[in-house]
Amino acid sequence: DAGVIQSPRHEVTEMGQEVTLRCKPISGHDYLFWYRQTMMRGLELLIYFNNNVPIDDSGMPEDRFSAKMPNASFSTLKIQPSEPRDSAVYFCASSLAPLSSYNEQFFGPGTRLTVL
Amino acid sequence: TQLLEQSPQFLSIQEGENLTVYCNSSSVFSSLQWYRQEPGEGPVLLVTVVTGGEVKKLKRLTFQFGDARKDSSLHITAAQTGDTGLYLCAGAGDAGNMLTFGGGTRLMVKP
Repeated sequence: DAGVIQSPRHEVTEMGQEVTLRCKPISGHDYLFWYRQTMMRGLELLIYFNNNVPIDDSGMPEDRFSAKMPNASFSTLKIQPSEPRDSAVYFCASSLAPLSSYNEQFFGPGTRLTVL
Repeated sequence: TQLLEQSPQFLSIQEGENLTVYCNSSSVFSSLQWYRQEPGEGPVLLVTVVTGGEVKKLKRLTFQFGDARKDSSLHITAAQTGDTGLYLCAGAGDAGNMLTFGGGTRLMVKP
């Protein structure tokens, strides 16, 4: 398996533009997570899905952020409009089952977003 | 909100030295995981501890879960330059579906 795939790896955009980050989880994994990592705040959970259904989006910073999972093999995280403070590395991760069952989260390589 | 604090935040040592990284919380976790992250990559799981007092060894790395399942430590013996990276602890709550990550310890092992 190729692991979790994220695209693009790097994105540079201007303030006010729409940004769409993409993720393909590992086949067969029921859980998909979106994280944001910055030096100041570390790794923060934004939202997670179970069987394509959003379960907890309490980490989504504001209405400018939205996430979808139209099918088991694809998810998007959209920021509209983007702001400079959104600059961060965004990670997608997937897992086979609830973490209490010793299952690990497999992380993608991340998308480094820079908003000018 | 469950919070995890890691210390130290930064650590720079010489190859061959020993070190310990701590992960503390006032909350109880059903399990705790340690991840290692290298530049330009996502975190990779090192170990999961579940039972209070549990000790797990992974070659030169020793992980311990506190008796009350509120804290954990990672000890590295005879550090090597390949151990350089960001070490993250992450706790799972009772629901077991979400992880709360600590702020990380950035380790630099110099030759």
